[in-house]
Amino acid sequence: DQQVKQNSPSLSVQEGRISILNCDYTNSMFDYFLWYKKYPAEGPTFLISISSIKDKNEDGRFTVFLNKSAKHLSLHIVPSQPGDSAVYFCAASSYTGNQFYFGTGTSLTVIP
Amino acid sequence: DSGVTQTPKHLITATGQRVTLRCSPRSGDLSVYWYQQSLDQGLQFLIQYYNGEERAKGNILERFSAQQFPDLHSELNLSSLELGDSALYFCASSVRTGPNTGELFFGEGSRLTVL
Repeated sequence: DQQVKQNSPSLSVQEGRISILNCDYTNSMFDYFLWYKKYPAEGPTFLISISSIKDKNEDGRFTVFLNKSAKHLSLHIVPSQPGDSAVYFCAASSYTGNQFYFGTGTSLTVIP
Repeated sequence: DSGVTQTPKHLITATGQRVTLRCSPRSGDLSVYWYQQSLDQGLQFLIQYYNGEERAKGNILERFSAQQFPDLHSELNLSSLELGDSALYFCASSVRTGPNTGELFFGEGSRLTVL
């Protein structure tokens, strides 16, 4: 039972344009969401997070939006750079839980 | 460098065998998580330990077991290996557990190939 879903396995974007990566979740108890970035042969690295009390969190070129009613979050990267090419994982956890549930990832390719 | 160390990086073994994967968390982190990533799959949560005690269990097979030692390093034991156990196994650590855990810090993973 996949509680966190990333329905787009891959995405290609031109350098300088916006990349939008989407994530949906099913468990209404989730209240903390994270995005991780993974390069080949490396472990995932934390990128940005958002608590359910917010609907937006920004860190430089990266912004995460949370729509609780739709159980949807998205990661915006503006402007996209070739170095952003990686697999992006969305993750969620609940306040009372010890588990982080991960999506299947979206492979982003930024074309120079 | 996340500060989380996993060994071995690569392991090739045969069906029916047993292997042990080792993880050293970041200095000061008390919580260790194990995840499995199979081909085209997301990160599947296996098990979590906090300061030596099991805190949460996910989709971990009965053939798999783990423990966290007093020095906080953790080992994941995989036995009676099957072809389908071939995967990348990640260890992650965090300072706390439960509410406001914050982010997880991942190791580079151990790639297991079962032939």
